[in-house]
Amino acid sequence: DGGITQSPKYLFRKEGQNVTLSCEQNLNHDAMYWYRQDPGQGLRLIYYSQIVNDFQKGDIAEGYSVSREKKESFPLTVTSAQKNPTAFYLCASSIGTTSGAADTQYFGPGTRLTVL
Amino acid sequence: AQSVTQLDSQVPVFEEAPVELRCNYSSSVSVYLFWYVQYPNQGLQLLLKYLSGSTLVKGINGFEAEFNKSQTSFHLRKPSVHISDTAEYFCAVKPTNAGKSTFGDGTTLTVKP
Repeated sequence: DGGITQSPKYLFRKEGQNVTLSCEQNLNHDAMYWYRQDPGQGLRLIYYSQIVNDFQKGDIAEGYSVSREKKESFPLTVTSAQKNPTAFYLCASSIGTTSGAADTQYFGPGTRLTVL
Repeated sequence: AQSVTQLDSQVPVFEEAPVELRCNYSSSVSVYLFWYVQYPNQGLQLLLKYLSGSTLVKGINGFEAEFNKSQTSFHLRKPSVHISDTAEYFCAVKPTNAGKSTFGDGTTLTVKP
């Protein structure tokens, strides 16, 4: 079945540690996204990538980093510079944003990160 | 730039009652409009989308939404809700000339027996 997988589902991190969240898609989509979700604040865009080896900062990129070495993978690293990383993280993909098409996003199941 | 306002953060309703979740948007360019649903501890999934043409759009699970260009609204409706409709609902817009989507803050729908 085609879809997006995120791992792990739950992640615990000590303060001062970097941690990497995995996101893989087999939908052959060009575009991928990372969102952060906090209660009552909806989805906030962290980073997005429209094509392999290219990515752009979203609205809240500080303290995060990404890579896009393969079309199907878009890992997110939460660094120790992120002051309040406890949140639910969602990865999504879409056909691509450059065409101007109505670009439905397909979401993974999410990773809940807790900083101890 | 565009913005999305979901006018109600929480909507409680009894089972089999009708429901409307309200969404207003602002944008300097034409947009596509979407409604997504998120069940607890899961990702979002598409309910319906408006691209062009008929302003009444039907989606999955009996939901529908009406695009009103003059009022810049895209309200979601269901004539009779079920307990299983309890979830968070997000309205989103995306420019038709490329660019990324903008999501509203979400509306929590709670269906009570």
